[in-house]
Amino acid sequence: QVQLQESGPGLVKPSETLSLTCTVSGGSISSYYWTWIRQPPGKGLEWIGYIYYSGSTNSNPSLMSRVTISVDTSKNQFSLKLSSMTAADTAVYYCARAELGYYLDVWGQGTLVTVSS
Amino acid sequence: DIVMTQSPDSLAVSLGERATINCKSSQSVLYSSNNKNYLAWYQQKPGQPPKLLIYWASTRESGVPDRFSGSGSGAEFNLTISSLQAEDVAVYSCQQYYRSPPTFGQGTRLEIK
Repeated sequence: QVQLQESGPGLVKPSETLSLTCTVSGGSISSYYWTWIRQPPGKGLEWIGYIYYSGSTNSNPSLMSRVTISVDTSKNQFSLKLSSMTAADTAVYYCARAELGYYLDVWGQGTLVTVSS
Repeated sequence: DIVMTQSPDSLAVSLGERATINCKSSQSVLYSSNNKNYLAWYQQKPGQPPKLLIYWASTRESGVPDRFSGSGSGAEFNLTISSLQAEDVAVYSCQQYYRSPPTFGQGTRLEIK
């Protein structure tokens, strides 16, 4: 059974870059689209972007200039970098598997990232 | 972006009764070439990640109880819980994956009356 686990800092200073990693266990990262989603406290879900195991990516235009998603198939991991963080980026960040790049059928537990000086 | 709007924002239903949540998209998410609606439903309990319930608008994910069903086509969809159980208390969200970026509804909070 595939499981996902996010890792990274829980606190980021304004203007800094957030770096998160998602480790895939119980299955191969090959095939599937690997996705980042976030949820501000008390709010709805926002799709950040995905990466295919081959390395092709797609990101939300609202964040595209700040987002970098990468994959390391040798480690069964994929990563998110989000630059120029502000308080508006405070959220629980989830990694998830997207079947065919569409619906999200496996989710990590999520990690709360707070932006504060 | 396609805007997903759910109604109501919150809903209280008695145990054993039917609960219905509505989701409307700002444009059709029905792909005519394969006649599939690119819509999913998720359940999120407090402190947990979302869980996939329904995809292609009406296909139940493996392991999801059959009291959960999805219906609708085009730009209007429903998630129905036929007989509400205590463990169904959660926030339910719809998601379209017809056009990038995928977008979610604001969520509907379901409680026990």
